[in-house]
Amino acid sequence: SQQGEEDPQALSIQEGENATMNCSYKTSINNLQWYRQNSGRGLVHLILIRSNEREKHSGRLRVTLDTSKKSSSLLITASRAADTASYFCATSNAGNMLTFGGGTRLMVKP
Amino acid sequence: DTAVSQTPKYLVTQMGNDKSIKCEQNLGHDTMYWYKQDSKKFLKIMFSYNNKELIINETVPNRFSPKSPDKAHLNLHINSLELGDSAVYFCASSHAWTGYEQYFGPGTRLTVT
Repeated sequence: SQQGEEDPQALSIQEGENATMNCSYKTSINNLQWYRQNSGRGLVHLILIRSNEREKHSGRLRVTLDTSKKSSSLLITASRAADTASYFCATSNAGNMLTFGGGTRLMVKP
Repeated sequence: DTAVSQTPKYLVTQMGNDKSIKCEQNLGHDTMYWYKQDSKKFLKIMFSYNNKELIINETVPNRFSPKSPDKAHLNLHINSLELGDSAVYFCASSHAWTGYEQYFGPGTRLTVT
């Protein structure tokens, strides 16, 4: 079964708008990671947030983590057409075994 | 230079055949992985090797056998291919076993007819 579940499954926005994706998970974690996958490509690591962190920024990305609710969100500000991709959250607990959610498919219309 | 490379990118074969997918990383990482991504985009770990030693072996049929000749290579051999093996297979690597981000290869799309 999937540890992480992304919500929504699909999101369509206009260029310049913000995109928010959520991830919920079931068991305790060491860290939570977000990855991007462009169509036909491999996954690219975006950001890692540790269980003792609440918020992290990287460029136009902002990730929050609420371990009490077992949830995380990824915010992409001022979206661009090039942000069109699938976004996956992945949780890491024992060791470095990553368990991926089903992904959010983001479409940014120019 | 590609950090994590896989060959071939596409593989079309018939049921019952045996095939291999190769993976190489030039990042100097200690840990390598094989993932399977199905048609619904769910990504599931299959195997993980740390310093050539198998450390994760998820519930995968015995027909799948990974081999790590050295830290930079992790190959996947599949015997007696079945229709249900059709998927995209990703190789990945990370600096060490615990708590690091993973770097993915471009994937190998396997189609079994």
